[in-house]
Amino acid sequence: NAGVTQTPKFRVLKTGQSMTLLCAQDMNHEYMYWYRQDPGMGLRLIHYSVGEGTTAKGEVPDGYNVSRLKKQNFLLGLESAAPSQTSVYFCASRDYSGGAHTDTQYFGPGTRLTVL
Amino acid sequence: AQTVTQSQPEMSVQEAETVTLSCTYDTSESDYYLFWYKQPPSRQMILVIRQEAYKQQNATENRFSVNFQKAAKSFSLKISDSQLGDAAMYFCAYRGKAAGNKLTFGGGTRVLVKP
Repeated sequence: NAGVTQTPKFRVLKTGQSMTLLCAQDMNHEYMYWYRQDPGMGLRLIHYSVGEGTTAKGEVPDGYNVSRLKKQNFLLGLESAAPSQTSVYFCASRDYSGGAHTDTQYFGPGTRLTVL
Repeated sequence: AQTVTQSQPEMSVQEAETVTLSCTYDTSESDYYLFWYKQPPSRQMILVIRQEAYKQQNATENRFSVNFQKAAKSFSLKISDSQLGDAAMYFCAYRGKAAGNKLTFGGGTRVLVKP
């Protein structure tokens, strides 16, 4: 049971390049989230998904797109990277089965992205 | 919109002593959850403790306990018998009934533990 994993761990992009961050969870969770963390700040929600095939915008969605084609995977895409998107990106998942820990989000290890 | 405020950017504590981190939040909801997450230098977000707003009893997890004051919208974290491994950033987070049940985070408090 690996929990929540993120690929890659580090990435450097040039302005205008595109990339996709992959989040995978093996806990059969319904809800998945993408956050970004800027220096000295807490996490802010980019997009989220409440189930396979669904996505919705969070607080800071501009410049990002997401897809949830499979329940276990949640992809975050940057079509044209900008220096303002330099950040650490965290994925999280949450159960919705009504169990004792359904109100807890479990986080991946993060991806450090630098856009030059 | 809910907001979460952590007014202490940094706290220092002697090993084996106690430190208390402050968190206040703003909400019009009556049913919600509050969390404290720890982020060590590895960047991993680790759940420390959680509190359901409908429960009057303060949550405890080993050396970690909270003081939840619902009327004052205050949710402080007490770390007892501090250990070197407690050194990290600590984030307070709120989860209400907004679509997706997202977490709203405070800005964090850095805890330094002196040997």
